[in-house]
Formats: sequence, structure tokens, C-alpha cells
Amino acid sequence: GAGVSQSPSNKVTEKGKDVELRCDPISGHTALYWYRQSLGQGLEFLIYFQGNSAPDKSGLPSDRFSAERTGGSVSTLTIQRTQQEDSAVYLCASSSGLAGQETQYFGPGTRLLVL
Amino acid sequence: GENVEQHPSTLSVQEGDSAVIKCTYSDSASNYFPWYKQELGKGPQLIIDIRSNVGEKKDQRIAVTLNKTAKHFSLHITETQPEDSAVYFCAELGGNEKLTFGTGTRLTIIP
Repeated sequence: GAGVSQSPSNKVTEKGKDVELRCDPISGHTALYWYRQSLGQGLEFLIYFQGNSAPDKSGLPSDRFSAERTGGSVSTLTIQRTQQEDSAVYLCASSSGLAGQETQYFGPGTRLLVL
Repeated sequence: GENVEQHPSTLSVQEGDSAVIKCTYSDSASNYFPWYKQELGKGPQLIIDIRSNVGEKKDQRIAVTLNKTAKHFSLHITETQPEDSAVYFCAELGGNEKLTFGTGTRLTIIP
């Protein structure tokens, strides 16, 4: 596609429910990143994929958070048993994965509200 | 670990004047420094970037300078326009291949 797309654009859920967020990277990009942005804050790194593998999961805040990527393209971020502090904008970015082409291109984000 | 400090957190500039945002970093292995602009309700968009082998880069009204010795880099916007109003984030790519972002600067251009 022309850019990174994310769905849904907005999600309201009740505390304790599971949610799944989707990211479609730019076609051909092998690297994919998930970030979390709380209201008025900077971007917090969550996880990074190179192809289908995740060499860096260091940013996942708890074991309620998990992510997967299949086919080297679409990725899903799953939050189990959501808590109110999970409310934030979840941003996905992709890059070519090639040396010297580090630019990350961001999607519009999914705004998650946990009631 | 990596740390990026960004100043100021808010900046108001009269239309037509210049705006400068500064960032400092701690990872001496950092070699790539992008700047992103984020408008309300949208994802961050890359506006300019610089690599460690260059001291300055310019693209029309936007320029970035890098001082590797002092570990700081700055964004300069000249002849500011109302559409420049947004939140700006600096970032650095450290030795672990992970982007670390500054905390953002909310720039307001006063017509």
C-alpha cells in the first residue's frame, strides 16, 4: 500500500476485555515497530520485528501484551485483560530493514480507551 | 540506557519568525537522527533527518544541525507559517538499532 495502515482507528473497551490491534506495513518493508503514546507524551517503544521474528521485546510493559507477525507483513498487537492504564494511542511504524535506510514511517495509530 | 532530552516542551513563535528546538543524547554509538512532526490525531511524519557523518542538512525552510562531540542536534524552522503548528519529536538510533524519542515540543505559530 501507499503507507502504513492501522485498524481500528479507535477502540473503546471495558476493563478486563482483550483487544487486538492490527498493523499493515508498507509493502516490502521487513522491519516493523510498535510504540505506545500516552496523552501528551512521547513515544514508548514496545516491540520490533525483523521479518516474522521479534529480536527485541524489551519494551512490552507486562505479560498481558503480546505481538505477532505472520508472512512478514501484517502484525497484530494483543492486550489481554485490559486495564485503564492501557489507554493510549498505539502506533505502528515500518522501515525497509536495509542498512542505511533506517527511516521509520508511521501509521495513523489506534486510539484505545479502556473504561 | 539511551536517553534523549528535548527542549523546550512548548514554544510560541510569531508567524514569520524562526523556531529552534534542541535535543541532547547520551549514546555515543548513535548515528542517525530523525525529526518527526505530529499533527493532532495523526501519526508522526518524518520531516528531516541527518546522519552522523554530516554536520548540517537543509530542506527549504527546515534545517537540522548535529554536534557529535557535544552530543546534541537541533531543528531550525525559518519563516514560520501557521501550518507549522504541531508537536515535534527528535529521535536517535542507538547502537541497539532502536529509535529513542525525545518528549516532544508543542510549537504554536501566532498569526
